Amino acid sequence: KNEVEQSPQNLTAQEGEFITINCSYSVGISALHWLQQHPGGGIVSLFMLSSGKKKHGRLIATINIQEKHSSLHITASHPRDSAVYICAVRGGSNYKLTFGKGTLLTVNP
Amino acid sequence: GAGVSQSPSNKVTEKGKDVELRCDPISGHTALYWYRQSLGQGLEFLIYFQGNSAPDKSGLPSDRFSAERTGGSVSTLTIQRTQQEDSAVYLCASSWSRGRSYEQYFGPGTRLTVT
Repeated sequence: KNEVEQSPQNLTAQEGEFITINCSYSVGISALHWLQQHPGGGIVSLFMLSSGKKKHGRLIATINIQEKHSSLHITASHPRDSAVYICAVRGGSNYKLTFGKGTLLTVNP
Repeated sequence: GAGVSQSPSNKVTEKGKDVELRCDPISGHTALYWYRQSLGQGLEFLIYFQGNSAPDKSGLPSDRFSAERTGGSVSTLTIQRTQQEDSAVYLCASSWSRGRSYEQYFGPGTRLTVT
Protein backbone atom coordinates (compact mmCIF):
# COMPACT_ATOMS: atom_id res chain seq x y z
CA LYS A 1 0.00 0.00 0.00
CA ASN A 2 1.34 3.42 -0.96
CA GLU A 3 1.92 5.86 1.85
CA VAL A 4 -0.02 8.48 -0.11
CA GLU A 5 -3.21 7.57 -1.94
CA GLN A 6 -5.08 9.94 -4.23
CA SER A 7 -8.53 9.64 -5.68
CA PRO A 8 -9.77 9.72 -8.28
CA GLN A 9 -6.92 8.87 -10.65
CA ASN A 10 -8.74 10.55 -13.51
CA LEU A 11 -11.45 13.16 -13.40
CA THR A 12 -13.35 14.76 -16.27
CA ALA A 13 -15.58 17.74 -15.61
CA GLN A 14 -17.53 20.35 -17.47
CA GLU A 15 -16.52 23.97 -17.22
CA GLY A 16 -18.05 25.57 -14.14
CA GLU A 17 -18.30 22.40 -12.09
CA PHE A 18 -17.03 22.10 -8.52
CA ILE A 19 -14.08 19.71 -8.34
CA THR A 20 -12.83 17.70 -5.38
CA ILE A 21 -9.62 15.67 -5.32
CA ASN A 22 -8.84 13.58 -2.27
CA CYS A 23 -5.60 12.52 -0.62
CA SER A 24 -5.15 10.04 2.21
CA TYR A 25 -1.89 9.21 3.87
CA SER A 26 -0.78 6.58 6.34
CA VAL A 27 2.21 8.17 8.06
CA GLY A 28 2.69 11.00 10.50
CA ILE A 29 3.41 14.20 8.68
CA SER A 30 4.61 17.71 9.37
CA ALA A 31 3.01 19.19 6.27
CA LEU A 32 1.10 18.32 3.13
CA HIS A 33 1.62 19.86 -0.28
CA TRP A 34 -0.67 20.14 -3.27
CA LEU A 35 1.20 20.50 -6.54
CA GLN A 36 0.01 21.18 -10.09
CA GLN A 37 1.65 19.92 -13.26
CA HIS A 38 0.42 20.94 -16.70
CA PRO A 39 1.11 18.57 -19.60
CA GLY A 40 4.74 18.98 -20.61
CA GLY A 41 5.12 21.64 -17.97
CA GLY A 42 6.90 22.04 -14.72
CA ILE A 43 5.53 21.56 -11.24
CA VAL A 44 4.00 24.43 -9.34
CA SER A 45 3.33 24.34 -5.63
CA LEU A 46 -0.29 25.32 -4.93
CA PHE A 47 -0.51 24.89 -1.20
CA MET A 48 1.48 23.77 1.77
CA LEU A 49 -0.61 23.14 4.87
CA SER A 50 -0.32 21.43 8.21
CA SER A 51 -3.77 22.16 9.62
CA GLY A 52 -7.13 23.65 8.73
CA LYS A 53 -7.84 25.25 5.43
CA LYS A 54 -6.20 27.52 2.88
CA LYS A 55 -7.75 29.40 -0.03
CA HIS A 56 -6.16 30.94 -3.07
CA GLY A 57 -8.50 32.28 -5.72
CA ARG A 58 -10.74 29.44 -6.84
CA LEU A 59 -8.63 26.81 -5.09
CA ILE A 60 -9.28 25.60 -1.56
CA ALA A 61 -7.24 23.01 0.33
CA THR A 62 -8.26 21.40 3.59
CA ILE A 63 -6.56 18.93 5.86
CA ASN A 64 -7.78 16.76 8.75
CA ILE A 65 -4.74 15.59 10.67
CA GLN A 66 -6.69 13.15 12.84
CA GLU A 67 -8.21 11.43 9.82
CA LYS A 68 -4.99 11.71 7.77
CA HIS A 69 -6.92 13.17 4.88
CA SER A 70 -6.75 16.24 2.68
CA SER A 71 -8.92 17.57 -0.10
CA LEU A 72 -8.27 20.01 -2.91
CA HIS A 73 -11.32 21.82 -4.22
CA ILE A 74 -11.64 23.89 -7.38
CA THR A 75 -14.67 26.12 -7.64
CA ALA A 76 -16.06 27.24 -11.01
CA SER A 77 -13.61 25.00 -12.89
CA HIS A 78 -12.14 26.19 -16.18
CA PRO A 79 -10.38 24.37 -19.02
CA ARG A 80 -7.10 25.99 -17.97
CA ASP A 81 -7.38 24.04 -14.69
CA SER A 82 -6.74 20.87 -16.72
CA ALA A 83 -3.56 19.39 -15.26
CA VAL A 84 -2.24 16.67 -13.00
CA TYR A 85 -2.73 17.46 -9.32
CA ILE A 86 -0.29 15.79 -6.98
CA CYS A 87 -0.51 15.38 -3.24
CA ALA A 88 2.78 15.10 -1.34
CA VAL A 89 3.48 14.70 2.34
CA ARG A 90 6.48 15.74 4.35
CA GLY A 91 7.34 13.56 7.29
CA GLY A 92 8.68 14.51 10.66
CA SER A 93 12.16 14.78 9.19
CA ASN A 94 10.98 18.01 7.62
CA TYR A 95 12.47 17.67 4.20
CA LYS A 96 11.64 14.56 2.22
CA LEU A 97 8.43 14.55 0.18
CA THR A 98 6.49 11.38 -0.53
CA PHE A 99 4.15 11.75 -3.48
CA GLY A 100 0.81 10.39 -4.51
CA LYS A 101 0.46 9.17 -8.07
CA GLY A 102 -1.51 12.22 -9.10
CA THR A 103 -5.00 12.97 -10.37
CA LEU A 104 -5.41 13.86 -14.03
CA LEU A 105 -8.09 16.53 -14.28
CA THR A 106 -9.64 17.42 -17.62
CA VAL A 107 -12.10 20.29 -17.73
CA ASN A 108 -14.08 20.47 -20.94
CA PRO A 109 -15.51 23.75 -22.25
CA GLY B 1 14.07 36.86 -8.22
CA ALA B 2 14.63 33.95 -10.58
CA GLY B 3 13.18 30.56 -9.82
CA VAL B 4 14.90 27.21 -9.86
CA SER B 5 16.55 26.53 -13.19
CA GLN B 6 17.72 23.25 -14.65
CA SER B 7 19.83 22.37 -17.64
CA PRO B 8 19.63 20.90 -20.11
CA SER B 9 15.87 20.86 -20.57
CA ASN B 10 16.14 17.77 -22.74
CA LYS B 11 18.91 15.21 -23.06
CA VAL B 12 19.04 12.23 -25.37
CA THR B 13 21.92 9.87 -24.76
CA GLU B 14 23.01 6.43 -25.81
CA LYS B 15 22.91 3.55 -23.39
CA GLY B 16 26.21 3.29 -21.54
CA LYS B 17 27.13 6.95 -21.73
CA ASP B 18 27.46 9.22 -18.69
CA VAL B 19 25.24 12.28 -18.25
CA GLU B 20 25.32 15.32 -15.99
CA LEU B 21 22.22 17.25 -15.03
CA ARG B 22 22.48 20.67 -13.47
CA CYS B 23 20.31 22.53 -11.00
CA ASP B 24 20.54 26.18 -9.99
CA PRO B 25 18.41 26.73 -6.89
CA ILE B 26 16.78 29.94 -5.79
CA SER B 27 19.43 32.23 -4.33
CA GLY B 28 19.65 31.81 -0.57
CA HIS B 29 17.85 28.48 -0.43
CA THR B 30 19.97 26.18 1.68
CA ALA B 31 18.06 22.97 0.99
CA LEU B 32 18.08 21.30 -2.41
CA TYR B 33 16.28 18.16 -3.54
CA TRP B 34 16.44 15.89 -6.56
CA TYR B 35 13.39 13.90 -7.65
CA ARG B 36 12.66 11.63 -10.58
CA GLN B 37 9.40 11.29 -12.46
CA SER B 38 9.25 8.11 -14.49
CA LEU B 39 6.38 7.26 -16.80
CA GLY B 40 3.81 5.38 -14.80
CA GLN B 41 5.85 5.64 -11.60
CA GLY B 42 5.02 9.07 -10.31
CA LEU B 43 7.51 11.22 -8.49
CA GLU B 44 10.19 9.71 -6.29
CA PHE B 45 12.77 11.25 -4.01
CA LEU B 46 16.42 10.79 -4.95
CA ILE B 47 18.64 12.90 -2.69
CA TYR B 48 18.55 15.88 -0.34
CA PHE B 49 21.25 18.48 0.27
CA GLN B 50 21.55 20.76 3.26
CA GLY B 51 24.22 23.20 2.22
CA ASN B 52 26.89 21.11 0.52
CA SER B 53 26.16 18.00 2.56
CA ALA B 54 23.83 15.21 1.55
CA PRO B 55 22.37 13.77 4.76
CA ASP B 56 19.92 11.62 2.83
CA LYS B 57 20.93 9.74 -0.30
CA SER B 58 18.45 6.96 0.32
CA GLY B 59 16.54 7.49 -2.91
CA LEU B 60 19.44 7.05 -5.30
CA PRO B 61 18.50 3.90 -7.23
CA SER B 62 22.01 2.54 -7.76
CA ASP B 63 25.68 3.36 -7.38
CA ARG B 64 25.61 4.66 -10.95
CA PHE B 65 23.87 7.73 -9.57
CA SER B 66 25.74 10.42 -7.67
CA ALA B 67 25.21 14.07 -6.87
CA GLU B 68 27.19 16.92 -5.52
CA ARG B 69 26.57 20.48 -4.51
CA THR B 70 29.19 23.18 -4.41
CA GLY B 71 29.22 26.56 -2.73
CA GLY B 72 25.84 25.84 -1.21
CA SER B 73 24.33 26.61 -4.59
CA VAL B 74 24.57 24.68 -7.86
CA SER B 75 24.04 20.94 -7.81
CA THR B 76 24.95 18.32 -10.37
CA LEU B 77 23.32 14.91 -10.67
CA THR B 78 25.52 12.44 -12.53
CA ILE B 79 24.35 9.17 -13.99
CA GLN B 80 27.10 6.84 -15.14
CA ARG B 81 26.70 4.10 -17.73
CA THR B 82 23.09 5.10 -18.42
CA GLN B 83 20.46 2.43 -18.88
CA GLN B 84 17.10 2.66 -20.62
CA GLU B 85 15.30 2.48 -17.29
CA ASP B 86 17.00 5.77 -16.35
CA SER B 87 14.77 7.55 -18.88
CA ALA B 88 12.65 9.97 -16.86
CA VAL B 89 12.16 13.60 -16.00
CA TYR B 90 14.61 14.67 -13.33
CA LEU B 91 13.32 17.47 -11.15
CA CYS B 92 15.18 19.69 -8.76
CA ALA B 93 13.60 21.73 -5.98
CA SER B 94 14.94 24.10 -3.36
CA SER B 95 13.67 25.58 -0.13
CA TRP B 96 14.65 27.48 2.94
CA SER B 97 15.43 25.24 5.85
CA ARG B 98 14.96 27.63 8.75
CA GLY B 99 11.80 28.14 10.70
CA ARG B 100 8.69 26.58 9.26
CA SER B 101 9.06 27.74 5.69
CA TYR B 102 9.92 24.45 4.03
CA GLU B 103 7.89 25.06 0.90
CA GLN B 104 9.74 23.57 -2.03
CA TYR B 105 10.04 25.40 -5.33
CA PHE B 106 10.46 23.15 -8.32
CA GLY B 107 12.51 23.63 -11.43
CA PRO B 108 11.18 22.82 -14.92
CA GLY B 109 12.98 19.48 -15.02
CA THR B 110 15.35 17.75 -17.39
CA ARG B 111 13.82 15.11 -19.63
CA LEU B 112 16.36 12.33 -20.08
CA THR B 113 15.91 9.78 -22.83
CA VAL B 114 18.31 6.85 -23.01
CA THR B 115 18.25 5.11 -26.39
